[in-house]
Amino acid sequence: DTAVSQTPKYLVTQMGNDKSIKCEQNLGHDTMYWYKQDSKKFLKIMFSYNNKELIINETVPNRFSPKSPDKAHLNLHINSLELGDSAVYFCASSQDPLGWRYFGPGTRLLVL
Amino acid sequence: GQNIDQPTEMTATEGAIVQINCTYQTSGFNGLFWYQQHAGEAPTFLSYNVLDGLEEKGRFSSFLSRSKGYSYLLLKELQMKDSASYLCAVRVKSDSWGKLQFGAGTQVVVTP
Repeated sequence: DTAVSQTPKYLVTQMGNDKSIKCEQNLGHDTMYWYKQDSKKFLKIMFSYNNKELIINETVPNRFSPKSPDKAHLNLHINSLELGDSAVYFCASSQDPLGWRYFGPGTRLLVL
Repeated sequence: GQNIDQPTEMTATEGAIVQINCTYQTSGFNGLFWYQQHAGEAPTFLSYNVLDGLEEKGRFSSFLSRSKGYSYLLLKELQMKDSASYLCAVRVKSDSWGKLQFGAGTQVVVTP
């Protein structure tokens, strides 16, 4: 029944490691997003895909690479993790790029 | 860029009314959203305004004045479960895509 799901829910790792977060939506939406919420609770857009095509790519280090194998999935791979990457990463989807976002439960990443 | 301002925290008693203001400066305004986020959880959609005026949804109402760059979220008959962060988000339309910019959120504390 889950509309937008993310795995893992928690991720604790060492600096310099590479990790991936997976996201899936079963709402039939065309558009998916990755947002980052830092310790100050600002929610910032990182990437957006519409029908597997990258449409928004904010100023994000190129250590972050999104991949959309199909329009129901959007994964995020992070290379060479840094302390400042510690945050909550939310996946979201919307019917189209103008629609309201439906958020997943978040992945809490802690880099030690 | 967009500036979105909302108060950091508000406290109110159960059964009371609280009004959360949000002011924004943006180009390409294409709608304003309010989200609720409980601690440790994902943001959930509350309301959407694209034209001036009041939208009512049960105990929650949202108002928009585009000429003033101003919106508010009104929470009536407060309940303890309304204690959460309330995020104002402005949608900006550039080309064919919509980008959602979030404010820092207003933490509402409901006391008995």
